[in-house]
Amino acid sequence: QSVLTQPPSVSAAPGQKVTISCSGSSSNIGNNYVSWYQQLPGTAPKLLIYENNKRPSGIPDRFSGSRSATSATLGITGLQTGDEADYFCGTWDSSLSAYVFGSGTKVTVL
Amino acid sequence: EVQLLESGGGLVQPGGSLSLSCSASGFTFSSYAMSWVRQAPGKGLEWVSSISVGGGPTYYADSVKGRFTISRDNSKNTLYLQMNSLRAEDTAVYYCAKDSRAPFTSGWYKEYWGQGTLVSVSP
Repeated sequence: QSVLTQPPSVSAAPGQKVTISCSGSSSNIGNNYVSWYQQLPGTAPKLLIYENNKRPSGIPDRFSGSRSATSATLGITGLQTGDEADYFCGTWDSSLSAYVFGSGTKVTVL
Repeated sequence: EVQLLESGGGLVQPGGSLSLSCSASGFTFSSYAMSWVRQAPGKGLEWVSSISVGGGPTYYADSVKGRFTISRDNSKNTLYLQMNSLRAEDTAVYYCAKDSRAPFTSGWYKEYWGQGTLVSVSP
């Protein structure tokens, strides 16, 4: 069972917005930056958001991140069919002395 | 362009050993910490191990501590993972990742990922 909890799936129509939550504790999200990773079907994960809300070069501003207390949220606006993927949050946990990932959320474009 | 190319995966019997390699290019390998992350079939991501720039200190998930050894050769721009006493639950795709900074420091995340290599542990 993952230390960081995400909903198994979210869905919306093209052009709409989805949000993905990532719930943790004071030993992880509460005191450390959160990253988000996108894994398209059959491919390796890719960094999407780092340090809670920063986007690497090449990531469109349709993707956004935020953190509040012990939870983080990934938002995707203007949903496209190419956004169908699994999304994972990640951070390190000071109590476990480990880098931890969320359980993953599958985004489906209806 | 950052490139990470894993190799060494395959089929191994329970209790056996396997050594993975990750060849890095497109960045100054000796200046960055590196990690291994695995993904069991149909499952989520699991951090396995990380190594600092000079080869130490090293860090391991409890699930592999004492069985796996991470190392690096900065002269060859290569990261390694020696896996011993393999179990069925070690079956996964193993990804090599370039870290943003030193493990367990503010802003530590997996900046770039390789394409992965499949390790299957079965009789």
